[in-house]
Amino acid sequence: QVQLVESGGGVVQPGRSLRLSCAASGFNFGNHGMQWLRQAPGKGLEWVAAIWYDGSNKYYGDSVKGRFTISRDNSKNTVDLQMNSLRVEDTAVYYCARRDGYIPYWGQGTLVTVSS
Amino acid sequence: EIVMTQFPATLSVSPGERVTLSCRASQSVSSNLAWYQQKPGQAPRLLIYGASTRVADVPARFSGSGSGTEFTLTIADLQSEDFAVYYCQQYDKWPFSFTFGPGTTVDI
Repeated sequence: QVQLVESGGGVVQPGRSLRLSCAASGFNFGNHGMQWLRQAPGKGLEWVAAIWYDGSNKYYGDSVKGRFTISRDNSKNTVDLQMNSLRVEDTAVYYCARRDGYIPYWGQGTLVTVSS
Repeated sequence: EIVMTQFPATLSVSPGERVTLSCRASQSVSSNLAWYQQKPGQAPRLLIYGASTRVADVPARFSGSGSGTEFTLTIADLQSEDFAVYYCQQYDKWPFSFTFGPGTTVDI
């Protein structure tokens, strides 16, 4: 079955960087786009970034454009999110998901807290 | 960007009741609409896609309807495990973008 396992979350000061990783299994990873979404505490869901199946195209939400970078390693079945210049408002649970129109598979999420 | 609106924001109900949640898109999304259920501390769970197609393991008391800009999720005979937040999501403009509604909380 499809499994998505996020890691790398933690507490970080504003302006610092953090790198999240997602390990995927149970499907042909190299055939699917991947994405990151996030959910701030007590808030709704926000799409963050997406990457094409071969890494050729990357898209970002307006709130993270220029600060976050999505990448993937098809040999390791992983997708990463490099987060730079973090802000307090980036505090959220970050979810990895396969790039389907709707989202049948979710990871458990990893919590990122940006605080001084 | 397509903006999704959900109403009501909160619905207070009792077990056994029938509830209807509404979702509206700022422009037509055809039938490219999904519904999710989220319980505290858990990732969202896909319930409905294509506006009305129920995911295999979702109980039959959940049903979705609508197309274009107006959609509903109906939960017949509400069970205690159904108390949660429900989100709608449009994917009409996928793969370039998709958007979620703000959610409806169903509580006691």
